[in-house]
Amino acid sequence: AQSVTQLDSQVPVFEEAPVELRCNYSSSVSVYLFWYVQYPNQGLQLLLKYLSGSTLVKGINGFEAEFNKSQTSFHLRKPSVHISDTAEYFCAVIFTGGGNKLTFGTGTQLKVEL
Amino acid sequence: ETGVTQSPTHLIKTRGQQVTLRCSSQSGHNTVSWYQQALGQGPQFIFQYYREEENGRGNFPPRFSGLQFPNYSSELNVNALELDDSALYLCASSLTGQAPNYGYTFGSGTRLTVV
Repeated sequence: AQSVTQLDSQVPVFEEAPVELRCNYSSSVSVYLFWYVQYPNQGLQLLLKYLSGSTLVKGINGFEAEFNKSQTSFHLRKPSVHISDTAEYFCAVIFTGGGNKLTFGTGTQLKVEL
Repeated sequence: ETGVTQSPTHLIKTRGQQVTLRCSSQSGHNTVSWYQQALGQGPQFIFQYYREEENGRGNFPPRFSGLQFPNYSSELNVNALELDDSALYLCASSLTGQAPNYGYTFGSGTRLTVV
């Protein structure tokens, strides 16, 4: 079965500390991988994506993610977070042959504290 | 370049009623997808429209229906509303064949509350 799992529903972190948000997927076909951020009362904004090539991808706002095919993971990282990074983060996958629809994880609430 | 615009932003309906949500695609995009995001959950794919026809559907009952117009704008219609239909409804536009490369542009959503 094809699925996307975000293991942590909430991640508290102090400002300027590093953070990693975890995402794993299950698939028998090739995938395209995405991370989206959602601020309160807003839609989804694309942070970064992996389509092919280098497994380390860099996105906006200093975020990066690494695709690990053997572990079927696509974890999101930032070396130093800011208060403004407080938001909900969603991992999403397009399973090839599935019509380009996005399948989302349940989200991780990142709360940055002073 | 305009983004994706959704209307209304908030809506309260009574169980059993019908509702229509609207979406204007980003300029140059010809495909529209609709997602339902229940509270505390990730968005769930409802359906996608291309060339004014449904081009993929998620696990939603037939009372969820849609339209796409020649200018690529779209409507989501939900009949016989149920309490569980309360959610944020997101519209996303893309260019067919390019969605993985260029991604989807999401609107800010319509918050539907069914009472």
